[in-house]
Amino acid sequence: DQQVKQNSPSLSVQEGRISILNCDYTNSMFDYFLWYKKYPAEGPTFLISISSIKDKNEDGRFTVFLNKSAKHLSLHIVPSQPGDSAVYFCAAEGGSNYKLTFGKGTLLTVNP
Amino acid sequence: NAGVTQTPKFQVLKTGQSMTLQCAQDMNHNSMYWYRQDPGMGLRLIYYSASEGTTDKGEVPNGYNVSRLNKREFSLRLESAAPSQTSVYFCASSPTGGETQYFGPGTRLLVL
Repeated sequence: DQQVKQNSPSLSVQEGRISILNCDYTNSMFDYFLWYKKYPAEGPTFLISISSIKDKNEDGRFTVFLNKSAKHLSLHIVPSQPGDSAVYFCAAEGGSNYKLTFGKGTLLTVNP
Repeated sequence: NAGVTQTPKFQVLKTGQSMTLQCAQDMNHNSMYWYRQDPGMGLRLIYYSASEGTTDKGEVPNGYNVSRLNKREFSLRLESAAPSQTSVYFCASSPTGGETQYFGPGTRLLVL
């Protein structure tokens, strides 16, 4: 039973345009959400996070939106750059179990 | 600060052989984690250690054992490797658990 779902395995956008990556979750206990970025042959690196008490968090070109009623979050990258090409993982945490649950990832390709 | 380091970077084993994957962090974090990443499967938690002296099973613990040697080090042992354990293994740490996790560069393991 997949509790965190990234339904788009891949996404291709043009440089300078907006990239929107989506994530859905099923566990209503989740109260903290993160996005990680992963380049080939490297470990995932933290990108941005959001607590369930907020509906938006912004950091430079990256904005995460949370819709708790729909159990949906999205990552917006504006403007997209070729260096943003990577796999993006959505992750969620809830309760005090110290664990993150990851989605399967979305491969973003930004074309020059 | 080196962050999270993992050794070895790459290993080839024959079925039935054993090995230990090493992980160390220099950020004084309390919690440490072991994940495996397989194509199309995202990151799956194998074991975690919420604090020094404690370890708990994650989503896919079968065939693995762990040791939290001290606050810095968390090792993952394969007692009798199987081809199904061919994967990329990532170690991560976080300050107190349930927060942003910081990942190592990974160990690529091939079991023949």
